[in-house]
Amino acid sequence: GAVVSQHPSWVICKSGTSVKIECRSLDFQATTMFWYRQFPKQSLMLMATSNEGSKATYEQGVEKDKFLINHASLTLSTLTVTSAHPEDSSFYICSASGLALGDNEQFFGPGTRLTVL
Amino acid sequence: DAKTTQPTSMDCAEGRAANLPCNHSTISGNEYVYWYRQIHSQGPQYIIHGLKNNETNEMASLIITEDRKSSTLILPHATLRDTAVYYCIVSRRNEKLTFGTGTRLTIIP
Repeated sequence: GAVVSQHPSWVICKSGTSVKIECRSLDFQATTMFWYRQFPKQSLMLMATSNEGSKATYEQGVEKDKFLINHASLTLSTLTVTSAHPEDSSFYICSASGLALGDNEQFFGPGTRLTVL
Repeated sequence: DAKTTQPTSMDCAEGRAANLPCNHSTISGNEYVYWYRQIHSQGPQYIIHGLKNNETNEMASLIITEDRKSSTLILPHATLRDTAVYYCIVSRRNEKLTFGTGTRLTIIP
């Protein structure tokens, strides 16, 4: 299957700082990328959907000014958690899909574990 | 998107076939059935998907009933590495995936 990477794999930051997470599709062009977060013992919750070159579409309850998403190229999307607080500590996972992949198979990155102190 | 119902947990003996059921009685004609799994602290892994016909790949087989209201994921020879949470998701092409609580499959040595 297609490969999606994320960087960093884990990050610890102080409250009030901003953190950027990168998501890359390594061997295909991702026309659409999705960002999820997962709290302990819970399922994945979709945060936003981004299409290359356009603004992200956020799910209800997700603050777009706090979680900035940029999808400037067909292989890279970034999620910036601005002014992070302890309640933002979570496992952030991206996925990507592309027209070449057929029936909308989404391939997921390995996730980024964010801990805010 | 149609909702899916899966058992909370299942056990399977190593080397046996693991059969994971999923009900999706409100599925629409243009919605696919997708299966993903998530091993602890990793991103979900795509397993298989189908629309109407049964599908098989190197990982698993997907059996979809004729009325499409339910499906079964079959791991033919389960290994300890198949221990994971398995998600059955129904979605239209090019639309977002909504994850439920999935089935926690434990392979017993």
